[in-house]
Amino acid sequence: AQKVTQAQTEISVVEKEDVTLDCVYETRDTTYYLFWYKQPPSGELVFLIRRNSFDEQNEISGRYSWNFQKSTSSFNFTITASQVVDSAVYFCALTPDNNNDMRFGAGTRLTVKP
Amino acid sequence: EAGVTQSPTHLIKTRGQQATLRCSPISGHTSVYWYQQALGLGLQFLLWYDEGEERNRGNFPPRFSGRQFPNYSSELNVNALELEDSALYLCASSLDRGHTISGEKLFFGSGTQLSVL
Repeated sequence: AQKVTQAQTEISVVEKEDVTLDCVYETRDTTYYLFWYKQPPSGELVFLIRRNSFDEQNEISGRYSWNFQKSTSSFNFTITASQVVDSAVYFCALTPDNNNDMRFGAGTRLTVKP
Repeated sequence: EAGVTQSPTHLIKTRGQQATLRCSPISGHTSVYWYQQALGLGLQFLLWYDEGEERNRGNFPPRFSGRQFPNYSSELNVNALELEDSALYLCASSLDRGHTISGEKLFFGSGTQLSVL
């Protein structure tokens, strides 16, 4: 069974602060994929990143960075120098090997105050 | 290129009625997924359709059903509505490269907000 846990329900920061969103997952598969999605107030989830289980390289994209650690089954997401526009609900998700049955964590609501 | 479109945007029903939600995937996408997002519960997987067939189903009662049409659009039906069915229902689509697809990113619509009174 696949499970994704986002222990942080809500986080509030002040603009320009760095913030890390935690994601811990469980799976019996050796091959799997991890994702992060952003859900702004409009409701439509926006894809941010995909990682497969064999690629443990960390990734940086502008102010966003992701830290994948297989040893601790974690795939954490850091926003550097946060901005008000980063306010949204962020979801971590997992698909197992051999099908695209994507399972999401409960989401973390990030509020960035000016 | 049009994204995933869902209709209606909002739907208000009373307990015991039936609701029908519709989804059109991105052109070229053959897989459609349905998720329920109830307040405070994150996204719960409902159904996955691919090439007109139901590939997987989440832990929901049989009164949640759906289908996928030959043009890959999809319909979600909820019978005998209950108050706790009130939620945002999100549809997503993805490319399909075969039945062993995995790791495909999903493209989401803006959802149908279902309110059951």
